[in-house]
Amino acid sequence: KQEVTQIPAALSVPEGENLVLNCSFTDSAIYNLQWFRQDPGKGLTSLLLIQSSQREQTSGRLNASLDKSSGRSTLYIAASQPGDSATYLCAVPQSGGSYIPTFGRGTSLIVHP
Amino acid sequence: EAGVAQSPRYKIIEKRQSVAFWCNPISGHATLYWYQQILGQGPKLLIQFQNNGVVDDSQLPKDRFSAERLKGVDSTLKIQPAKLEDSAVYLCASSPVEGEQFFGPGTRLTVL
Repeated sequence: KQEVTQIPAALSVPEGENLVLNCSFTDSAIYNLQWFRQDPGKGLTSLLLIQSSQREQTSGRLNASLDKSSGRSTLYIAASQPGDSATYLCAVPQSGGSYIPTFGRGTSLIVHP
Repeated sequence: EAGVAQSPRYKIIEKRQSVAFWCNPISGHATLYWYQQILGQGPKLLIQFQNNGVVDDSQLPKDRFSAERLKGVDSTLKIQPAKLEDSAVYLCASSPVEGEQFFGPGTRLTVL
């Protein structure tokens, strides 16, 4: 059964810092990985989807990388802003080949002015 | 493009009562997911549909939870009877097959 771990669990940084959020998974036989953002009391917003054939994806100040062999993905946030404050979650399929998503617990990020 | 719609947004019930949640996915998305998210945790998949069929419901407490997807479009999730530990946010998501998931705003359930 796939297990997903996100480190750190919480992060508080001043505005302007570059950040790295980590996601690790136990079964590397995945065919994609998705990063989400969740604001308090809201649903999840998709940030980036990386297919297994890709090494990274970029959207604005966000860059996500994927290393299947080591079971890791990182989300890089450049020049953080207070509006980036939210919980960041990664999701990968369960092991066994079928697309049944398993989520990590998330990283709670606070960017203070 | 319209997103995933869910209703109600909030629901407060007493234990042992029944409750139902509704989800309308993005048009054309074959796969629909129901998740339960307890405060401080990531979403846990309850059931996954592809068109009308169930792909996985291994984590659905079938003695009290049921779900259906009518005509491969809308879906309802029911809890009967509710327990205190069912207090959570219930999230619906949809995607193309094996594709990017899009989530609705969720329903916050409080069981007293």
